Amino acid sequence: NAGVTQTPKFQVLKTGQSMTLQCAQDMNHEYMSWYRQDPGMGLRLIHYSVGAGITDQGEVPNGYNVSRSTTEDFPLRLLSAAPSQTSVYFCASSRSHVGEQYFGPGTRLTVT
Amino acid sequence: TQLLEQSPQFLSIQEGENLTVYCNSSSVFSSLQWYRQEPGEGPVLLVTVVTGGEVKKLKRLTFQFGDARKDSSLHITAAQTGDTGLYLCAGGSSGNTGKLIFGQGTTLQVKP
Repeated sequence: NAGVTQTPKFQVLKTGQSMTLQCAQDMNHEYMSWYRQDPGMGLRLIHYSVGAGITDQGEVPNGYNVSRSTTEDFPLRLLSAAPSQTSVYFCASSRSHVGEQYFGPGTRLTVT
Repeated sequence: TQLLEQSPQFLSIQEGENLTVYCNSSSVFSSLQWYRQEPGEGPVLLVTVVTGGEVKKLKRLTFQFGDARKDSSLHITAAQTGDTGLYLCAGGSSGNTGKLIFGQGTTLQVKP
């Protein structure tokens, strides 16, 4: 089992550019989520999904889109990157919404 | 809005010392998780506590869930350099739409 995989590991964008962060899991978990981690602020939920075809907003959804066409994949799209989106992004999967979260290795994004 | 406050935010101690990290809220949680995160990696679950007053031990780590299920603590006995990392608590709210709420994290540095 690879667990949760994320690509890319690092990314630098210019303001206004768009990109997609990839996330995949091979544990057949229904619940997947995206978090951003900033110094002193812990992990903040961006978007989450309780199953294929179902997504919902978290605490900080503005500027991000998600889709869940399969159980395995949950990509995060930045529509028009802004410097405020400079952060480390983690994808996680779990069996339930409050169960153990299995995190990917993270994507460090810098927007200049 | 449910909030989890962790204290202290940063702790630097010598190997062999004891320490306690606190996770407090004014809200009641159905469960409380503790994660540890190393640099460049995603958080990894250490323990989940679900019953008020529950105490769990993991080698030199002792976790306690408050009687009212509003707070939790992590106590490390005789810290080792390998304990260095970011410790995060996460509270689970009840109900089908509940989510995990993360604290800001405690950065622990154990010096040899």
